[in-house]
Amino acid sequence: GDSVTQMEGPVTLSEEAFLTINCTYTATGYPSLFWYVQYPGEGLQLLLKATKADDKGSNKGFEATYRKETTSFHLEKGSVQVSDSAVYFCALSDHGGATNKLIFGTGTLLAVQP
Amino acid sequence: DAGITQSPRHKVTETGTPVTLRCHQTENHRYMYWYRQDPGHGLRLIHYSYGVKDTDKGEVSDGYSVSRSKTEDFLLTLESATSSQTSVYFCAISSSNTEAFFGQGTRLTVV
Repeated sequence: GDSVTQMEGPVTLSEEAFLTINCTYTATGYPSLFWYVQYPGEGLQLLLKATKADDKGSNKGFEATYRKETTSFHLEKGSVQVSDSAVYFCALSDHGGATNKLIFGTGTLLAVQP
Repeated sequence: DAGITQSPRHKVTETGTPVTLRCHQTENHRYMYWYRQDPGHGLRLIHYSYGVKDTDKGEVSDGYSVSRSKTEDFLLTLESATSSQTSVYFCAISSSNTEAFFGQGTRLTVV
């Protein structure tokens, strides 16, 4: 079945450092790909998305490019802030398909130190 | 914020008792999901619904059942709670052309 694999954390960075969180997927069709973020004590909220190959999703300085050839959707940010500390989840969905089922990776905890 | 409400937000129950968690939406979205979140496992799909009375199992459905008798409500029932079902439960909603929106979560402790 469809699955998502993302790098284990925690990832600890100093403020203004460059961030990469790796995500790869396995899917039979052509899924949509997402990054969700969860701040402490809260539910998940969408950070960015890409619905087809070579699309780049971006939001709040974060970016990820849908790479079909490497089945990857790595999250990057050029300069992290303390406020970016959260858990980041990569996910895929047969968006617009019969079930719209959404499958998540295990999450990566990011801790940014001042 | 998307109109999605989970209840209760916190619950402590004893092993062997039935428990029902409720997810209510005001967005008229077609799809609804129940996930559990556990350390080291991320979010795992328990059950999902793609319409009224249309539901299917996710990857961790054993010990859980669901019902969706109307568009706005999706109920998750633990027929006989076990300690392994201690977790944080999230409901999510989506439509064919939107991302998923999540509720605030329900922290369930089975003692």
